[in-house]
Amino acid sequence: NAGVTQTPKFRILKIGQSMTLQCTQDMNHNYMYWYRQDPGMGLKLIYYSVGAGITDKGEVPNGYNVSRSTTEDFPLRLELAAPSQTSVYFCASSPGQFRETQYFGPGTRLLVL
Amino acid sequence: KNQVEQSPQSLIILEGKNCTLQCNYTVSPFSNLRWYKQDTGRGPVSLTIMTFSENTKSNGRYTATLDADTKQSSLHITASQLSDSASYICVVSAGSSNTGKLIFGQGTTLQVKP
Repeated sequence: NAGVTQTPKFRILKIGQSMTLQCTQDMNHNYMYWYRQDPGMGLKLIYYSVGAGITDKGEVPNGYNVSRSTTEDFPLRLELAAPSQTSVYFCASSPGQFRETQYFGPGTRLLVL
Repeated sequence: KNQVEQSPQSLIILEGKNCTLQCNYTVSPFSNLRWYKQDTGRGPVSLTIMTFSENTKSNGRYTATLDADTKQSSLHITASQLSDSASYICVVSAGSSNTGKLIFGQGTTLQVKP
Protein backbone atom coordinates (compact mmCIF):
# COMPACT_ATOMS: atom_id res chain seq x y z
CA ASN A 1 0.00 0.00 0.00
CA ALA A 2 1.21 3.48 -0.85
CA GLY A 3 -0.89 4.98 1.96
CA VAL A 4 -1.69 8.66 1.42
CA THR A 5 -0.07 10.33 -1.56
CA GLN A 6 -0.04 14.04 -2.39
CA THR A 7 0.92 15.98 -5.49
CA PRO A 8 2.68 18.24 -6.17
CA LYS A 9 5.43 18.27 -3.54
CA PHE A 10 6.18 21.95 -4.07
CA ARG A 11 4.54 24.75 -6.00
CA ILE A 12 5.01 28.48 -6.44
CA LEU A 13 1.89 30.48 -7.27
CA LYS A 14 1.41 34.10 -8.16
CA ILE A 15 -1.21 36.10 -6.29
CA GLY A 16 -4.62 35.53 -7.84
CA GLN A 17 -3.76 32.23 -9.49
CA SER A 18 -5.67 29.03 -8.75
CA MET A 19 -4.54 25.47 -8.29
CA THR A 20 -5.66 22.06 -7.07
CA LEU A 21 -3.73 20.01 -4.55
CA GLN A 22 -4.25 16.33 -5.14
CA CYS A 23 -4.66 13.70 -2.41
CA THR A 24 -5.23 9.97 -2.87
CA GLN A 25 -5.38 7.14 -0.35
CA ASP A 26 -5.44 3.41 -1.05
CA MET A 27 -6.49 2.19 2.41
CA ASN A 28 -10.24 2.40 1.74
CA HIS A 29 -10.63 4.93 4.55
CA ASN A 30 -13.92 6.77 4.83
CA TYR A 31 -12.55 9.87 6.55
CA MET A 32 -10.21 12.28 4.82
CA TYR A 33 -8.85 15.63 5.96
CA TRP A 34 -6.91 18.65 4.76
CA TYR A 35 -4.64 20.54 7.15
CA ARG A 36 -2.31 23.45 6.81
CA GLN A 37 0.83 23.87 8.90
CA ASP A 38 2.38 27.28 9.29
CA PRO A 39 5.91 27.67 10.73
CA GLY A 40 5.95 27.22 14.49
CA MET A 41 2.22 26.60 14.60
CA GLY A 42 0.08 23.54 15.12
CA LEU A 43 -1.80 21.96 12.24
CA LYS A 44 -5.14 23.53 11.48
CA LEU A 45 -8.03 21.70 9.84
CA ILE A 46 -9.26 23.21 6.57
CA TYR A 47 -11.88 20.72 5.39
CA TYR A 48 -12.80 17.14 6.06
CA SER A 49 -14.94 14.44 4.51
CA VAL A 50 -16.72 11.50 6.14
CA GLY A 51 -17.33 9.69 2.87
CA ALA A 52 -17.79 10.11 -0.85
CA GLY A 53 -20.07 13.03 -1.58
CA ILE A 54 -19.92 14.45 1.94
CA THR A 55 -17.64 17.31 2.95
CA ASP A 56 -17.63 19.86 5.75
CA LYS A 57 -15.68 22.89 6.88
CA GLY A 58 -12.95 22.77 9.45
CA GLU A 59 -11.34 25.57 11.40
CA VAL A 60 -9.88 27.62 8.51
CA PRO A 61 -11.91 26.97 5.31
CA ASN A 62 -11.90 30.46 3.78
CA GLY A 63 -10.22 30.60 0.37
CA TYR A 64 -10.44 26.84 -0.19
CA ASN A 65 -12.86 24.35 -1.69
CA VAL A 66 -12.98 20.55 -1.71
CA SER A 67 -14.85 17.74 -3.38
CA ARG A 68 -15.07 14.01 -2.68
CA SER A 69 -16.40 12.12 -5.68
CA THR A 70 -14.67 8.84 -4.78
CA THR A 71 -13.48 7.17 -1.58
CA GLU A 72 -9.86 7.43 -2.73
CA ASP A 73 -9.55 11.06 -3.82
CA PHE A 74 -9.95 14.31 -1.90
CA PRO A 75 -8.62 17.30 -3.89
CA LEU A 76 -8.22 20.74 -2.34
CA ARG A 77 -8.85 23.73 -4.57
CA LEU A 78 -7.30 27.15 -3.96
CA GLU A 79 -9.09 29.97 -5.70
CA LEU A 80 -7.44 33.37 -6.06
CA ALA A 81 -4.26 32.51 -4.16
CA ALA A 82 -3.11 35.00 -1.51
CA PRO A 83 0.23 35.30 0.35
CA SER A 84 -1.58 34.21 3.53
CA GLN A 85 -2.04 30.80 1.94
CA THR A 86 1.70 30.19 1.87
CA SER A 87 1.98 27.08 4.00
CA VAL A 88 2.57 23.34 4.01
CA TYR A 89 -0.58 21.39 3.29
CA PHE A 90 -1.15 17.89 4.61
CA CYS A 91 -3.80 15.45 3.59
CA ALA A 92 -4.75 12.68 6.01
CA SER A 93 -7.15 9.78 6.21
CA SER A 94 -8.59 7.56 8.92
CA PRO A 95 -10.76 4.45 8.85
CA GLY A 96 -13.53 5.97 10.93
CA GLN A 97 -14.17 8.67 13.41
CA PHE A 98 -11.97 11.57 14.41
CA ARG A 99 -10.94 9.53 17.46
CA GLU A 100 -9.06 7.02 15.33
CA THR A 101 -5.46 7.28 14.19
CA GLN A 102 -4.97 9.49 11.17
CA TYR A 103 -2.47 8.64 8.45
CA PHE A 104 -0.79 11.63 6.86
CA GLY A 105 0.59 12.23 3.40
CA PRO A 106 4.06 13.74 2.81
CA GLY A 107 2.72 17.27 2.36
CA THR A 108 2.65 19.92 -0.35
CA ARG A 109 4.72 23.05 0.19
CA LEU A 110 3.01 26.07 -1.37
CA LEU A 111 4.55 29.49 -1.81
CA VAL A 112 2.36 32.38 -2.97
CA LEU A 113 4.24 35.41 -4.24
CA LYS B 1 -10.94 27.87 24.75
CA ASN B 2 -9.52 24.48 23.75
CA GLN B 3 -5.73 24.62 23.82
CA VAL B 4 -2.76 22.29 23.75
CA GLU B 5 0.59 23.60 24.91
CA GLN B 6 3.87 21.76 24.63
CA SER B 7 7.19 22.29 26.33
CA PRO B 8 9.98 22.75 25.77
CA GLN B 9 9.74 24.36 22.35
CA SER B 10 13.06 22.76 21.40
CA LEU B 11 15.53 20.38 22.97
CA ILE B 12 19.04 19.16 22.20
CA ILE B 13 20.34 15.94 23.75
CA LEU B 14 23.24 13.59 23.19
CA GLU B 15 22.73 10.23 21.56
CA GLY B 16 21.95 7.54 24.11
CA LYS B 17 20.42 9.91 26.65
CA ASN B 18 16.79 9.91 27.75
CA CYS B 19 14.41 12.84 27.50
CA THR B 20 10.85 13.79 28.41
CA LEU B 21 8.54 16.06 26.49
CA GLN B 22 5.54 17.71 28.11
CA CYS B 23 2.00 18.43 26.96
CA ASN B 24 -0.64 20.38 28.89
CA TYR B 25 -4.15 20.69 27.58
CA THR B 26 -7.38 22.49 28.31
CA VAL B 27 -9.80 20.55 26.14
CA SER B 28 -13.36 19.61 26.90
CA PRO B 29 -14.88 17.15 26.53
CA PHE B 30 -11.75 15.03 26.33
CA SER B 31 -11.81 12.01 24.05
CA ASN B 32 -8.22 10.91 23.57
CA LEU B 33 -4.65 12.14 23.37
CA ARG B 34 -2.14 11.27 20.69
CA TRP B 35 1.55 11.79 20.15
CA TYR B 36 2.86 12.14 16.62
CA LYS B 37 6.42 12.20 15.31
CA GLN B 38 7.09 14.45 12.35
CA ASP B 39 10.39 14.15 10.52
CA THR B 40 11.56 17.22 8.62
CA GLY B 41 9.74 17.49 5.31
CA ARG B 42 7.34 14.65 6.09
CA GLY B 43 3.85 14.18 7.40
CA PRO B 44 3.21 13.28 11.06
CA VAL B 45 3.27 9.61 12.04
CA SER B 46 1.29 8.30 14.99
CA LEU B 47 3.29 7.05 18.00
CA THR B 48 0.60 6.47 20.62
CA ILE B 49 -3.05 7.13 21.26
CA MET B 50 -4.54 7.07 24.78
CA THR B 51 -8.08 7.31 26.00
CA PHE B 52 -9.27 8.74 29.32
CA SER B 53 -8.82 5.44 31.16
CA GLU B 54 -5.26 4.78 30.04
CA ASN B 55 -2.33 6.05 32.11
CA THR B 56 0.55 4.86 30.02
CA LYS B 57 1.25 3.41 26.60
CA SER B 58 4.50 2.35 25.02
CA ASN B 59 5.72 2.05 21.46
CA GLY B 60 9.26 0.71 21.48
CA ARG B 61 11.51 3.30 23.10
CA TYR B 62 8.63 5.78 23.31
CA THR B 63 6.43 5.81 26.43
CA ALA B 64 3.53 8.19 26.79
CA THR B 65 1.79 8.93 30.07
CA LEU B 66 -1.52 10.61 30.70
CA ASP B 67 -2.86 12.26 33.86
CA ALA B 68 -6.45 13.16 33.05
CA ASP B 69 -6.92 14.84 36.42
CA THR B 70 -4.16 17.39 35.90
CA LYS B 71 -4.64 17.38 32.11
CA GLN B 72 -1.02 16.61 31.46
CA SER B 73 0.78 14.14 29.25
CA SER B 74 4.41 13.34 28.74
CA LEU B 75 6.38 11.49 26.10
CA HIS B 76 9.51 9.77 27.36
CA ILE B 77 12.18 8.69 24.90
CA THR B 78 14.64 6.12 26.15
CA ALA B 79 18.19 5.65 24.85
CA SER B 80 17.79 8.27 22.13
CA GLN B 81 19.04 7.66 18.62
CA LEU B 82 19.97 10.08 15.85
CA SER B 83 16.80 9.04 14.04
CA ASP B 84 14.74 10.43 16.93
CA SER B 85 15.59 13.94 15.71
CA ALA B 86 12.17 15.26 14.72
CA SER B 87 9.24 17.35 15.86
CA TYR B 88 6.91 15.69 18.37
CA ILE B 89 3.32 16.82 18.31
CA CYS B 90 0.71 16.35 21.02
CA VAL B 91 -2.86 16.18 19.73
CA VAL B 92 -6.00 16.10 21.85
CA SER B 93 -9.33 14.94 20.52
CA ALA B 94 -12.34 16.81 21.83
CA GLY B 95 -15.91 15.61 21.66
CA SER B 96 -17.52 12.26 21.29
CA SER B 97 -19.33 12.56 17.99
CA ASN B 98 -18.16 11.81 14.49
CA THR B 99 -17.37 15.46 14.08
CA GLY B 100 -15.13 15.66 17.12
CA LYS B 101 -12.31 18.15 16.86
CA LEU B 102 -8.57 17.61 16.98
CA ILE B 103 -6.51 20.28 18.70
CA PHE B 104 -2.83 20.25 17.77
CA GLY B 105 0.03 21.50 19.89
CA GLN B 106 2.78 23.50 18.23
CA GLY B 107 5.28 20.69 18.71
CA THR B 108 8.63 20.16 20.40
CA THR B 109 11.65 20.01 18.13
CA LEU B 110 14.14 17.41 19.32
CA GLN B 111 17.69 17.28 18.04
CA VAL B 112 19.83 14.28 18.97
CA LYS B 113 23.54 14.86 18.55
CA PRO B 114 26.24 12.19 18.29
